[in-house]
Amino acid sequence: AQSVTQLDSHVSVSEGTPVLLRCNYSSSYSPSLFWYVQHPNKGLQLLLKYTSAATLVKGINGFEAEFKKSETSFHLTKPSAHMSDAAEYFCVVNTNAGKSTFGDGTTLTVKP
Amino acid sequence: SAVISQKPSRDICQRGTSLTIQCQVDSQVTMMFWYRQQPGQSLTLIATANQGSEATYESGFVIDKFPISRPNLTFSTLTVSNMSPEDSSIYLCSVETLDTQYFGPGTRLTVL
Repeated sequence: AQSVTQLDSHVSVSEGTPVLLRCNYSSSYSPSLFWYVQHPNKGLQLLLKYTSAATLVKGINGFEAEFKKSETSFHLTKPSAHMSDAAEYFCVVNTNAGKSTFGDGTTLTVKP
Repeated sequence: SAVISQKPSRDICQRGTSLTIQCQVDSQVTMMFWYRQQPGQSLTLIATANQGSEATYESGFVIDKFPISRPNLTFSTLTVSNMSPEDSSIYLCSVETLDTQYFGPGTRLTVL
């Protein structure tokens, strides 16, 4: 069985400040982990993925995430938020070929 | 990567009717997946569709309500049958390639 917990349903930051979106996972096997972003009325876009290679994963738009097995975490970070980062972010775990389990999502608000 | 298109992009339907959603992928894939995203919620897997065999449904979803076709390796359809307002959601098609899951733009369904 696999599950994902996004620890914050809403995160609000000021433009130019760091972003931290937290994700913990549970999996019986070595997982693949992903972060997706969904802008309002838009489709899902892959930000980054971890598939058992380097534990620090760099994605698009300056985002990165670190896989910490001991903490079963895969938190998403960005050094400096931009207004265009405002969106819904989903942490996803996949250990069963394509059957992904989504977290409940975190809404990121960026204040000017 | 995979490029996925869906038709229709959105629709408004009357209760009791059915809607068939089409999903087209730009490459051949073994498995295709259908997800539902209810308003303000995360994504839930409905079923997995393999070419040439019956779809496999997740708990809470049944074939009579969500019949799926998979006639070839690049195409699938999902029908939402005998619709009620509770079926109002975004329905997304997905494929997995090179350990990454890609999503279509979604079909936004409103049932009156």
